[in-house]
Amino acid sequence: EVQLVESGGGLVQPGGSLRLSCAASGLTFSSYAMSWVRQAPGKGLEWVSAITGGGGSTYYPDSVKDRFTISRDNSKNTLYLQMSSLRVEDTALYYCTPGGPPTGWFDPWGQGTLVTVSS
Amino acid sequence: EIVMTQSPATLSVSPGERVTLSCRASQSVSSNLAWYQQKPGQAPRLLIFHASTRATGIPARFSGSGSGTEFTLTISSLQSEDFAVYYCQHYNSWLYTFGQGTKLDIK
Repeated sequence: EVQLVESGGGLVQPGGSLRLSCAASGLTFSSYAMSWVRQAPGKGLEWVSAITGGGGSTYYPDSVKDRFTISRDNSKNTLYLQMSSLRVEDTALYYCTPGGPPTGWFDPWGQGTLVTVSS
Repeated sequence: EIVMTQSPATLSVSPGERVTLSCRASQSVSSNLAWYQQKPGQAPRLLIFHASTRATGIPARFSGSGSGTEFTLTISSLQSEDFAVYYCQHYNSWLYTFGQGTKLDIK
């Protein structure tokens, strides 16, 4: 059974930084592209980054480009999201999930870690 | 960016009914479309990929159809556990986007 455990969320002031982690088990981690998808309170889903299995390519939408950096350590089966210049609108539950180029769908999902950006 | 539009936003239905949810893409996404179910307090769950292929463990009452810009998710006979929010998502390009969701309410 695939397990994904996100951590690192918390309260941060606007302009601050935070690093999220996702520990994966039950899958051959390096064989899968991985993504982060977020959900603002009471809102829908927004994909925010993806990384290929080997880590050689990364992808971001404009809303987070140049502020967020996705990375992975395949020796530790761990995915990361370094977030900087955080804004109030980045407040959300951040999910880690296998998926991204070339497949594109996301399955399964972790339980998420909550990031709150507020002064 | 491809915009995904779901309709209706909310649907009130009774258990046992057949329901069809719609998803429209602002440009063709071929069959590169997935559907997810999300229950309150839970993470999303993949139901359908490639527009019509059920994910592992998904009951046969869930079916997907469509291609290009118009897609539907049909639940043939609603069970109590199916009341949730449903999202569509395209993956025709790496700039993935989701629809805003359709909430199924108990009538």
